[in-house]
Amino acid sequence: AQKVTQAQTEISVVEKEDVTLDCVYETRDTTYYLFWYKQPPSGELVFLIRRNSFDEQNEISGRYSWNFQKSTSSFNFTITASQVVDSAVYFCALSEGNYGQNFVFGPGTRLSVLP
Amino acid sequence: DAGVTQSPTHLIKTRGQQVTLRCSPKSGHDTVSWYQQALGQGPQFIFQYYEEEERQRGNFPDRFSGHQFPNYSSELNVNALLLGDSALYLCASSLGGGSEQFFGPGTRLTVL
Repeated sequence: AQKVTQAQTEISVVEKEDVTLDCVYETRDTTYYLFWYKQPPSGELVFLIRRNSFDEQNEISGRYSWNFQKSTSSFNFTITASQVVDSAVYFCALSEGNYGQNFVFGPGTRLSVLP
Repeated sequence: DAGVTQSPTHLIKTRGQQVTLRCSPKSGHDTVSWYQQALGQGPQFIFQYYEEEERQRGNFPDRFSGHQFPNYSSELNVNALLLGDSALYLCASSLGGGSEQFFGPGTRLTVL
């Protein structure tokens, strides 16, 4: 069965520091999608990124960047120059197949950015 | 363009009762998924509806059932409520499969 592991339960950094959130996944499918979501204190999950299993190209969006490595089954997320507004719980997720079956979330990493 | 909406926002029930939660997907989306998020945990997949049919289901008992209407909106029903059903219930919509899911604000269910 598929599985997503986020080994870091909680991380605290001081504003302007860079921080990397780790995500390791397990799947037997060759076609799958990986996601990152942000859940601020308000509770609503905010979509950040989706990658498919055939696209290992890293991506940068502003202060956010993602490193996808199939060889290590990892999809890590880095925030550069963190800000207090980045404080939230971040979830990595995996779905299998062409129709997004078996959508599985990791347990989440709580990031606290201190001023 | 309205996003995913859910109602009610909060709900308090007692053990053994039944509850219905509602979800309207983002405009243009045809697939609705439901998740249960217990405090301090990641969302757990309950089921997904597409073309008014349950396309796939997570590891939840038959007490959890759902429905999708022709306008793509959806309901989640939970019968014989248990204390352990207390959680945030999230609805997500998407266009087909494989695309990103957009989440609603959730319904906070408390079972006393």
